[in-house]
Amino acid sequence: SQQGEEDPQALSIQEGENATMNCSYKTSINNLQWYRQNSGRGLVHLILIRSNEREKHSGRLRVTLDTSKKSSSLLITASRAADTASYFCATDGLGNNRLAFGKGNQVVVIP
Amino acid sequence: DGGITQSPKYLFRKEGQNVTLSCEQNLNHDAMYWYRQDPGQGLRLIYYSQIVNDFQKGDIAEGYSVSREKKESFPLTVTSAQKNPTAFYLCASMPLESETQYFGPGTRLLVL
Repeated sequence: SQQGEEDPQALSIQEGENATMNCSYKTSINNLQWYRQNSGRGLVHLILIRSNEREKHSGRLRVTLDTSKKSSSLLITASRAADTASYFCATDGLGNNRLAFGKGNQVVVIP
Repeated sequence: DGGITQSPKYLFRKEGQNVTLSCEQNLNHDAMYWYRQDPGQGLRLIYYSQIVNDFQKGDIAEGYSVSREKKESFPLTVTSAQKNPTAFYLCASMPLESETQYFGPGTRLLVL
């Protein structure tokens, strides 16, 4: 089953601008993770935020988590052409070491 | 893509044919996963295994089979019962003490 639902699904921005994407989920979670997928490639883990955390930073990435609203956002600051990819949120709340992935946000950064 | 390899990169299946997708990891991870990805969709879990000689069905296991005879290998067979197999297949692994999955580069399966 897929819990995560990212919004918006497609985003086109100029290099140097910030990109924000959102994810909502339906059930209780232990953590929420964001992954990046370049076209035709596997996913790469970006950042994990636990259910008792509200905000986390990693380089140009900032993730927030609002468990009362069951939502998360991923902010990429000062975007680069190399950030062009699809971004997926995944929740860990199903047990058995399973993740539920959302449908993904496609981000295009125009040089 | 780390220490996870998937082969082949592209695979063609004829009607009524079973095909097997390979997934190998040298990361000494306990858990391994198979996902299917369709255009505009997220990842859907087919099968997963947390230990050798044991595996569980995911959300869309019908028409697929797996084996886990070795820790480093988790092959996926797409059987003739899978009527719509065209998709991008991703394998992942994870150490059980972690919560992060590591993905292979994927295999694209096409039907002739």
